[in-house]
Amino acid sequence: SAVISQKPSRDICQRGTSLTIQCQVDSQVTMMFWYRQQPGQSLTLIATANQGSEATYESGFVIDKFPISRPNLTFSTLTVSNMSPEDSSIYLCSVVGIGGTNTEAFFGQGTRLTVV
Amino acid sequence: SQQGEEDPQALSIQEGENATMNCSYKTSINNLQWYRQNSGRGLVHLILIRSNEREKHSGRLRVTLDTSKKSSSLLITASRAADTASYFCATARDNYGQNFVFGPGTRLSVLP
Repeated sequence: SAVISQKPSRDICQRGTSLTIQCQVDSQVTMMFWYRQQPGQSLTLIATANQGSEATYESGFVIDKFPISRPNLTFSTLTVSNMSPEDSSIYLCSVVGIGGTNTEAFFGQGTRLTVV
Repeated sequence: SQQGEEDPQALSIQEGENATMNCSYKTSINNLQWYRQNSGRGLVHLILIRSNEREKHSGRLRVTLDTSKKSSSLLITASRAADTASYFCATARDNYGQNFVFGPGTRLSVLP
């Protein structure tokens, strides 16, 4: 199994500011995934972060709002920029295929963001 | 179209009872997975069932898959208060099995 450390675990931020979420994996992985979970909802994929290339964003998500860095094979950051109350959600990083499994997804503990 | 839709959206049962959650999906799949989420934390993988399997067991979990109906069910037997969580089914969006679509989830409450 994979150990994924995500921080911060929660934060309360003022509108108009930005928050950077960090995700550290204990194994090297090609792709890391960032999800958003709005209150009471399921997970929605924001983007796929590949080391050495630009992240691939899903429909409805743009780089200016959610810039992603992937400096190496074990680390990624997601920034939520110019925040508004609508950005209040849980943000989760995920990897797939650690430890011999090629389909099981592993998740960080999530970042609960509240924008006031 | 949305993959992996669960019902019921919320389920409340007494400890010791069985809990059944259903999931439907729309496209062909290689496998379907079930995940659990406690109190808005990270998801934990519970069980995977492949498209050529009809039923799979893991401890108190039983998963069925009906590819003709594009549906799956998760049964938790002899539920415990600690089973209180949200449960999500997930299917892969691509052939590499790394990009998932999650259903809306079922919020299970097990009352002591």
